[in-house]
Amino acid sequence: DVKVTQSSRYLVKRTGEKVFLECVQDMDHENMFWYRQDPGLGLRLIYFSYDVKMKEKGDIPEGYSVSREKKERFSLILESASTNQTSMYLCASSFSVGGEEQYFGPGTRLTVT
Amino acid sequence: QKEVEQNSGPLSVPEGAIASLNCTYSDRGSQSFFWYRQYSGKSPELIMFIYSNGDKEDGRFTAQLNKASQYVSLLIRDSQPSDSATYLCAVMINDMRFGAGTRLTVKP
Repeated sequence: DVKVTQSSRYLVKRTGEKVFLECVQDMDHENMFWYRQDPGLGLRLIYFSYDVKMKEKGDIPEGYSVSREKKERFSLILESASTNQTSMYLCASSFSVGGEEQYFGPGTRLTVT
Repeated sequence: QKEVEQNSGPLSVPEGAIASLNCTYSDRGSQSFFWYRQYSGKSPELIMFIYSNGDKEDGRFTAQLNKASQYVSLLIRDSQPSDSATYLCAVMINDMRFGAGTRLTVKP
């Protein structure tokens, strides 16, 4: 059974804190993605990775960084959390980037106060 | 213009009716098209994908693609209350681009 897990379902952090969101997939997928989802804006791509130690910027990378040291794990880092980063964060993985189904994790609802 | 546009809804249909969800996209080079369903508080799950012009049927779901009009739709026949969810249209351009979603409510 396909599985993408995220480290936390709910997280509350203070402005200026460094925040780590972890994502693990057990499907041996090459590609992993981080999105944020906000009402009325849909899913917006933050970063994605085609391979270990590889990363590409998505539409809204500002204020975020990522790390992919192992194939199954893709981490999203908020270097200095701000209130406008309060959102639902969704991790996804896929076997290939082009035209393949993306499998999503359960999401992390992050609140920055 | 947004790359992928959907009516935000809410769209309300009675149980047993056909629900029609629409999506337009801006990039003529798009090749792959997906419909995801997202229940409240849950993550998106794929229900249909379509690559070629025409219709593709899977159970009660039919995806329709018209590349000339840059239009993709999802029809849900015999709608059930359990179909109440937000439906996300996604288009593969250089990477996957999602619409904002249409909220569907099926009333018993």
